[in-house]
Amino acid sequence: GQNIDQPTEMTATEGAIVQINCTYQTSGFNGLFWYQQHAGEAPTFLSYNVLDGLEEKGRFSSFLSRSKGYSYLLLKELQMKDSASYLCAAGGYNKLIFGAGTRLAVHP
Amino acid sequence: DSGVTQTPKHLITATGQRVTLRCSPRSGDLSVYWYQQSLDQGLQFLIQYYNGEERAKGNILERFSAQQFPDLHSELNLSSLELGDSALYFCASSEWDRGEKETQYFGPGTRLLVL
Repeated sequence: GQNIDQPTEMTATEGAIVQINCTYQTSGFNGLFWYQQHAGEAPTFLSYNVLDGLEEKGRFSSFLSRSKGYSYLLLKELQMKDSASYLCAAGGYNKLIFGAGTRLAVHP
Repeated sequence: DSGVTQTPKHLITATGQRVTLRCSPRSGDLSVYWYQQSLDQGLQFLIQYYNGEERAKGNILERFSAQQFPDLHSELNLSSLELGDSALYFCASSEWDRGEKETQYFGPGTRLLVL
């Protein structure tokens, strides 16, 4: 079957670090995407991992372990504008399977 | 701005009606994907077109259909609408036909409300 699991909600403080986890099961795995989505807006691409390891891009980093079916998104130096939903998506056979998203609230 | 455009932005209609949502992909992109996002639910993949041909199908109802035209814009037709069809409908595009490993760029969405 195909399944993506991520926490529903998380809260964090401005300036802190937060890690959003994602576990997945898909047939024909082709990589793991993270998208950011502000309420009522379009998802925007953050990162793509196809090999095991950590990819760093400014304040955001993403990690993948293919053998464990596990990924995380790490957000450093949190800002208020980082309050959004973070969508984990696994590339399956011929399509992208999205998780329900993790709603992150950043507080002052 | 992703470069993907969708019209209309909002649509209010009644049960049993039919509507058409329109999407223009980014310049140079050959694939168009349609997604449905209901309240508090993840993005559900509906269908993909690549250069005018259907490439992949997801959880698309038989009441829904789509097509991609020679100029690469796409339309999603929703008929015999039900209350449960109320959702945000997103269109995304990518350069080639490998949506499972290419970055997809999303349009601003069409918010459909069925009363």
